[in-house]
Amino acid sequence: QARLVQSGAEVKKPGASVKVSCKASGYTFSSFGLSWVRQTPGQGLEWMGWISDYTRIPTYVQKFQDRITMTADESTSTAYLDLRGLTSDDTAVYFCARGGPGEILGLDVWGQGTAVNVSS
Amino acid sequence: DIVLTQSPDSLAVSLGERATINCQSSQSVFYRSDTKHYLAWFQQKPGQPPKLLINWAYTREFGVPERFSGSGSGTHFTLTISSLQAEDVAVYYCHQYHSSPCSFGQGTRLEI
Repeated sequence: QARLVQSGAEVKKPGASVKVSCKASGYTFSSFGLSWVRQTPGQGLEWMGWISDYTRIPTYVQKFQDRITMTADESTSTAYLDLRGLTSDDTAVYFCARGGPGEILGLDVWGQGTAVNVSS
Repeated sequence: DIVLTQSPDSLAVSLGERATINCQSSQSVFYRSDTKHYLAWFQQKPGQPPKLLINWAYTREFGVPERFSGSGSGTHFTLTISSLQAEDVAVYYCHQYHSSPCSFGQGTRLEI
C-alpha cells in the first residue's frame, strides 16, 4: 500500500534553511507528482507547490518562489523540500502528499507531517 | 487562482443528526477531459494529517463510512454526514486540484 514517511521535527534559527524529506513506498514513485502543504499553528492548510510526475518540473506558489526548492531523487524514491530564509511565520507542520493539480487521484496519500519551529 | 469558501466556519450537531458543510468555488473545477469535478473533501483530527474522504466531488474513498457523502456541481459543493458519530469530530476541508495553484477552503470545525 502506498505510504509516505517524512523526516523528523526541526528547530531552526531565523534566517536559516530547512530541508524536509519524504520517502515513498508501495507505489511507482515516478508515476505521480508530489505536493507540499503546510499548516501553521491553529490555522488551515496551505498548498506550497509540487513537482510533477516523470519530468519532475517544480511549480511553486508565488509567495515562496524566491526561497523554496522542491526536488526528487528517483533512486531512493524520496522527495525534498528546501525552504530558505526562515522567519517565525514559517513555524508550521509541513506535509508531503502524493499528487497535484490535474492528477486524477488528487492528494490521496499523505506523510505524517514534519514540525518546523523557527525561534531565536 | 481558484478561491474556495466554506460555510459555516464551525458547526455543532447532535449525535445521530445530519451535518452539512458547503464549499463555494470562485471558478469551475470541472475537468472536461475526464468529465470529473476535481474537488475533494478531507477530514483532519488533531495531530494527524488530513484524510481523504471524498474525491471527484462525490466518490467516497475506500473504507470511508457510507454516512459520508458528497454532492454538487459547477461551483457549489456539499459534504453531508447523515448521522453524526462521536468519532466524526474534526475539521473538514474542501480542496480543488483542478488547476495550479491548488487551494483549500478555510476549514469547518465540527463539534458535538
